[in-house]
Amino acid sequence: ETGVTQTPRHLVMGMTNKKSLKCEQHLGHNAMYWYKQSAKKPLELMFVYNFKEQTENNSVPSRFSPECPNSSHLFLHLHTLQPEDSALYLCASSQPTSGGDETQYFGPGTRLLVL
Amino acid sequence: AQSVTQPDIHITVSEGASLELRCNYSYGATPYLFWYVQSPGQGLQLLLKYFSGDTLVQGIKGFEAEFKRSQSSFNLRKPSVHWSDAAEYFCAVVAPSSNTGKLIFGQGTTLQVKP
Repeated sequence: ETGVTQTPRHLVMGMTNKKSLKCEQHLGHNAMYWYKQSAKKPLELMFVYNFKEQTENNSVPSRFSPECPNSSHLFLHLHTLQPEDSALYLCASSQPTSGGDETQYFGPGTRLLVL
Repeated sequence: AQSVTQPDIHITVSEGASLELRCNYSYGATPYLFWYVQSPGQGLQLLLKYFSGDTLVQGIKGFEAEFKRSQSSFNLRKPSVHWSDAAEYFCAVVAPSSNTGKLIFGQGTTLQVKP
C-alpha cells in the first residue's frame, strides 16, 4: 500500500466501549498527526508526534489517548466517549524540517459515531 | 491570533465556467500556504502549496493559486471547472516559525458544479 492508510473506515461505538483507531504511513515520514473534523467546524489538530515523541497535545480530553510505537504507526485509543465526539478522525504524516516548510499527507479518515 | 478565513462557505458554478475560491490569512509574517481538497467521505488531498519564490503556483487537476502579500491572500483558481471538481476545499497555513508543521485550516468552501 502507498500513502497513509487508516482503519477502520467506519466505527460505531457506545459510550462505555473501548476502541482504537489505527493509522499507518508508507512514506518514510517521521511526524504523524491526529485531526478531528466535525460538521460545521474547521479541522482541529489533536496530537502531533515527531520521531515517536509527542510534541503537541491541543487540550484534548483524556478519553482520547494516542500512541506512537514507531514512526510508521499511530493509534488513537478511545474510551468512555461522548456523542459530541462523533466526527471524522483524520491522520496525517509529514517529514519534519527545521523551518516548518513541510507538507502533510492525509489518510482517508475514520468516521466515528458514538451512541 | 493567527487565523485563516475562507469567506465563501458555499459556491455554485456551472461546468466549464471559471472558479476562484478566496483565502485570507492573519499572520505577522508570510506563512507557508496550502490548498487541500476533500471529496465526500474521503481524506484531504493536497492541491498545491506555496513556500517561497514565484507567487503563482501551479497544482494538480488544473488548479493554480496566487499569493498576494499586500492582500494577505492565497486565492485558488481554475479556468474551466469540471463536474468532478465538486468537493470541499480547504485553505491552510503553517507559521514560518513553526517547529511542528502545525497546520491551521480555514472553515472550508463547498463547491457545487451545475451541469
